[in-house]
Amino acid sequence: EIVMTQSPLSLPVTPGEPASISCRSSQSLLHSTGYYYLDWYVQKPGQSPQLLIYLTSNRPSGVPDRFSGSGSGTDFTLKISRVEAEDVGVYYCLQVLQMPYTFGQGTKLEIK
Amino acid sequence: EVQLVESGGGLVKPGGSLRLSCAASGFTFSNGYMSWVRLAPGKGLEWIGRMKSIIDGGTRDYAAPVKGRFTISRDDSKNMLYLQLNSLRLEDTAVYYCTFDSVGYHAFDIWGPGTKVTVSS
Repeated sequence: EIVMTQSPLSLPVTPGEPASISCRSSQSLLHSTGYYYLDWYVQKPGQSPQLLIYLTSNRPSGVPDRFSGSGSGTDFTLKISRVEAEDVGVYYCLQVLQMPYTFGQGTKLEIK
Repeated sequence: EVQLVESGGGLVKPGGSLRLSCAASGFTFSNGYMSWVRLAPGKGLEWIGRMKSIIDGGTRDYAAPVKGRFTISRDDSKNMLYLQLNSLRLEDTAVYYCTFDSVGYHAFDIWGPGTKVTVSS
C-alpha cells in the first residue's frame, strides 16, 4: 500500500501568519489522466472531516482562497496564506490513486 | 440537500458484532461509490473500505486491518449503506463515518456526522 507521511505533526501558528504542511507519498500519485490523486482534509474539533483541496490543487466552492495546494510526484504541500483562529484542527492528506486509500498521520494546527 | 446520516453505533464486547447504517438522501444513491472512514481516539483518520455502485460491479475494497472482519453492503432500494463489523477488537473503537464523492472530484466532499463504536469488556 502507499504510505503517506506528513510533517510537521504539530504546527503552532500566530494568527495572520502563513502555515505550510508537507505530505510525502511512498510512490508517485500520478494518474493516467495527468492529475495527481492527492486530496487534503481538515477535521475541526467536534466536526466531521471536510474537503479542502482535491486533485492536488483544486479548491471546492466554499473553501477560502487562503488555502492552496501544490505538488507533484511524491511531494505535496498545503499552504494557508494567513491563518485564522477558525483554522484550528487536524489536517490530513489522502491518496486516492490506489486501493487501499491511505491518509497521512495528520498535522495538528493550533493557534499560538 | 445531499445528506448522509450514520447510525447503529454502541458498546460491544471484544469478539462481538455490530451493524452500522448510513442513510443517504438528496442524490442518486445507486450511482454513488460509498466509503467508510473511521477516527479512533488519539489516532488519525483511517479509510476502511469502499463499495462501488452495483451498475459498476459493486466491487468492495478494504483496508488490511479490517479485511475479513468487516463487510460493506448496500440496499439501493432504501438508499442505505451498511458496515457489518465482526470479530471486533479493542482497537476498532472509533467514530465511523460514511462518505462519498458527489461531484466526481476523486475526493470525499460529503460526510455524515459519524456514529461511535466502543469495544470494551
